[in-house]
Amino acid sequence: AQTVTQSQPEMSVQEAETVTLSCTYDTSESDYYLFWYKQPPSRQMILVIRQEAYKQQNATENRFSVNFQKAAKSFSLKISDSQLGDAAMYFCAYLRGGSQGNLIFGKGTKLSVKP
Amino acid sequence: ETGVTQTPRHLVMGMTNKKSLKCEQHLGHNAMYWYKQSAKKPLELMFVYNFKEQTENNSVPSRFSPECPNSSHLFLHLHTLQPEDSALYLCASSQAGTSGVYEQYFGPGTRLTVT
Repeated sequence: AQTVTQSQPEMSVQEAETVTLSCTYDTSESDYYLFWYKQPPSRQMILVIRQEAYKQQNATENRFSVNFQKAAKSFSLKISDSQLGDAAMYFCAYLRGGSQGNLIFGKGTKLSVKP
Repeated sequence: ETGVTQTPRHLVMGMTNKKSLKCEQHLGHNAMYWYKQSAKKPLELMFVYNFKEQTENNSVPSRFSPECPNSSHLFLHLHTLQPEDSALYLCASSQAGTSGVYEQYFGPGTRLTVT
């Protein structure tokens, strides 16, 4: 069975600095997708970034980028120039390719941003 | 906003009550999902509907009954709940194709408290 592990329950970063959130996963599949979702306090969960396993190039979305290490089964999220609005729970998620949508989530990392 | 709405946003119900949660998506997606989010636990997938047909039921107790009348609406009917069912219930939608499904878009959730 696939599992997703986020080993950092909480992280803190100074405004304008860079922070990296860790995620590892376990799977025997070769076709899958990885996602980072952000859930601000009392607000909707939104998709931050997506990575297809078959792509070697790391995904980037503005200040958000990933370090995808397929052999190590690692998928970390880097947030550059952190802003106060980045404070949220961040969830790493795995989706098997060709599946019917069974997203597997990690337990999340709570990110605080200090002004 | 993600294009997925949920009502009510908060619900308090007794163990003998019957209530329903509603989800509506305005994204033209053909797959919808119910998740349960409890404190200190990863999100748990409860039900999946693809093209209005239920394709996954992750061993959810029968006191939770889903209904998907069309591709835009999803309901979760609740009856005879237990206090441990108190949680945030999230609805999500995505586009499903022949090669599988893609990223999911989440609603704001219904905060359910069972007394």
